[in-house]
Amino acid sequence: DTGVSQNPRHKITKRGQNVTFRCDPISEHNRLYWYRQTLGQGPEFLTYFQNEAQLEKSRLLSDRFSAERPKGSFSTLEIQRTEQGDSAMYLCASSSPGQGGLRTEAFFGQGTRLTVV
Amino acid sequence: AQSVSQHNHHVILSEAASLELGCNYSYGGTVNLFWYVQYPGQHLQLLLKYFSGDPLVKGIKGFEAEFIKSKFSFNLRKPSVQWSDTAEYFCAVYPGSARQLTFGSGTQLTVLP
Repeated sequence: DTGVSQNPRHKITKRGQNVTFRCDPISEHNRLYWYRQTLGQGPEFLTYFQNEAQLEKSRLLSDRFSAERPKGSFSTLEIQRTEQGDSAMYLCASSSPGQGGLRTEAFFGQGTRLTVV
Repeated sequence: AQSVSQHNHHVILSEAASLELGCNYSYGGTVNLFWYVQYPGQHLQLLLKYFSGDPLVKGIKGFEAEFIKSKFSFNLRKPSVQWSDTAEYFCAVYPGSARQLTFGSGTQLTVLP
């Protein structure tokens, strides 16, 4: 399967614990995005990487959240000191640069469902 | 702030009925528009996209959408739905030079056999 891969698919954690999610984008895609989706809502943007550079972060991304893409390939999203409000589906997406650096469609992974108890 | 509105939260249709799902966005400049679909237990998949050119866009599985700039709309249509179209549908926009998509809240479509 050459799509976007996310691990784990499900994570249950106790409040206050740290969690880390991994995303492997489509191999030739240099753009990588993290989104969060809660029940009844569409995905909300968290952060964006172009290669290894984190170029944009949403105000939704509090200080407890950190994302990395160290070699411009896979990415990790870490949440420290989890809170019940962090329970959501965390989606990763990737896209390739269009001609002239234009935007192209994003391809999504299946997501990591986080439950904080 | 830019936003995307999908006014129909849940639509229930019988097989063979025609479908139209509304999508409106609040951005006056150049936009790129998308419809994504999420089947039960699966990831978001692209149905169709609009970047430029013909405002009537055809996508997969018989879906189409029409970009009406004057109405800030990008409604999704299908002339005859099937039970297998049961899914959640999301409209999404790249507003202006933004790097990230802004999504609507989604419309759950249930097609009764």
